[in-house]
Amino acid sequence: GESVGLHLPTLSVQEGDNSIINCAYSNSASDYFIWYKQESGKGPQFIIDIRSNMDKRQGQRVTVLLNKTVKHLSLQIAATQPGDSAVYFCAETPHTGANSKLTFGKGITLSVRP
Amino acid sequence: NAGVTQTPKFQVLKTGQSMTLQCAQDMNHNSMYWYRQDPGMGLRLIYYSASEGTTDKGEVPNGYNVSRLNKREFSLRLESAAPSQTSVYFCASVWTANTEAFFGQGTRLTVV
Repeated sequence: GESVGLHLPTLSVQEGDNSIINCAYSNSASDYFIWYKQESGKGPQFIIDIRSNMDKRQGQRVTVLLNKTVKHLSLQIAATQPGDSAVYFCAETPHTGANSKLTFGKGITLSVRP
Repeated sequence: NAGVTQTPKFQVLKTGQSMTLQCAQDMNHNSMYWYRQDPGMGLRLIYYSASEGTTDKGEVPNGYNVSRLNKREFSLRLESAAPSQTSVYFCASVWTANTEAFFGQGTRLTVV
């Protein structure tokens, strides 16, 4: 079936370095992609989103890149900070209007070394 | 605004007991979702409600039922709890498709 998955289960980076978290999706009908951050004991929180008519979108210290040709999504975090340590999920919805399911990948843990 | 509120936050059930997880949102969102989160499994969709009066199965609906009581509330019921339903449950809501989802704080359920 259609699924959203992540390449790596864990990522360890040095404080101040840039982080890149990758995600592959299989549903070619996917129209909207979102990255969520989940801190321990909390629900997922929105970071940034991108629609299928875009290749890149920038936020504060974060950039999302979308490559529809290879069905790949990435989240780049600039100057990673200890507060960025969390589990990151990519999610997607197909363009099917009101009945769109929001499907999540398995998640990747980002650990920031001081 | 409270956003998405889930109750209870923690619950322990014995096998075979029933219970209902409550979820309410105050953002006038149209769609609501129930997910379960297990270690190494990410967030898996149990049921969702695209709009008031409609519900649909997600990836793992077996053993659960839902009710979209009104636009604000979406409840998840376990009729006969099983140890395999031990998990953290999250409710989420969105205004419409292709917009940001807001999540509750989760319900940690243990079935013994």
